[in-house]
Amino acid sequence: DAKTTQPNSMESNEEEPVHLPCNHSTISGTDYIHWYRQLPSQGPEYVIHGLTSNVNNRMASLAIAEDRKSSTLILHRATLRDAAVYYCILWEVNAGGTSYGKLTFGQGTILTVHP
Amino acid sequence: EAQVTQNPRYLITVTGKKLTVTCSQNMNHEYMSWYRQDPGLGLRQIYYSMNVEVTDKGDVPEGYKVSRKEKRNFPLILESPSPNQTSLYFCASSLMGNQPQHFGDGTRLSIL
Repeated sequence: DAKTTQPNSMESNEEEPVHLPCNHSTISGTDYIHWYRQLPSQGPEYVIHGLTSNVNNRMASLAIAEDRKSSTLILHRATLRDAAVYYCILWEVNAGGTSYGKLTFGQGTILTVHP
Repeated sequence: EAQVTQNPRYLITVTGKKLTVTCSQNMNHEYMSWYRQDPGLGLRQIYYSMNVEVTDKGDVPEGYKVSRKEKRNFPLILESPSPNQTSLYFCASSLMGNQPQHFGDGTRLSIL
C-alpha cells in the first residue's frame, strides 16, 4: 500500500495562509492524492483531491510537486474553524482506471490556529 | 438531505455479546467503508465494499464481519466483542472508488 508522511502538528495565526505538507515518495503514476480533515468531535470531511495538476475549490488548494512525491494543502486564510486534524491519503488506481478500495489514513497533522 | 447514518451513536456492552452497528446512506453510493479511530493511531480501515456483494479487508479486519446485501446498507458485526474493540467507529461512502467520501457522525463503542 502506498503510504504518506505528514508532520504531527503545525501552528498558524488567524487570517494567514497555511501550507500543510505531505510526502508520498512511493506514489505510483495513477494514484490520486486526497485530503480530509476532522474537526473536533466530528467525523472526517473531504477537502480536495487531485492527480497531477494543482487543484482549487472553495475550501482549499492542492499543490502537487512535479515528480508527485509530495503535495501541499493550502488554506489561503486560516480561520479558527480550520483548526482540525488534516489527513493526506493516496487512493490507488490501476493503469486501467479501476480504483482499489483499501485506504490508509495515518495519524494526520494537527493544525492549531491562533487568534 | 444526503447523509450517512450510523446507529447506535453510543453503546456500552459486555464481552462476548454479539452486536451490530448499522450504516445506511441515501446517495446511491457504490463504495462504502468502515473505520475505527483510537487515540494516537488515527483512522484505520476495517472493511470496505466496492459494490453490492463485494467486500474486502482493510488494515484491521480481525474480530469484525460485514455484509453488503443491498447498496444502501453496510452493517458492521462484532460476533464476540472484546475490550480491545472499544473505539470510535466511522462509516463512510462515496459514489465509487477514488471519489470524495461522506462520513457518518460516528459510533462510540465501549466493551466491558
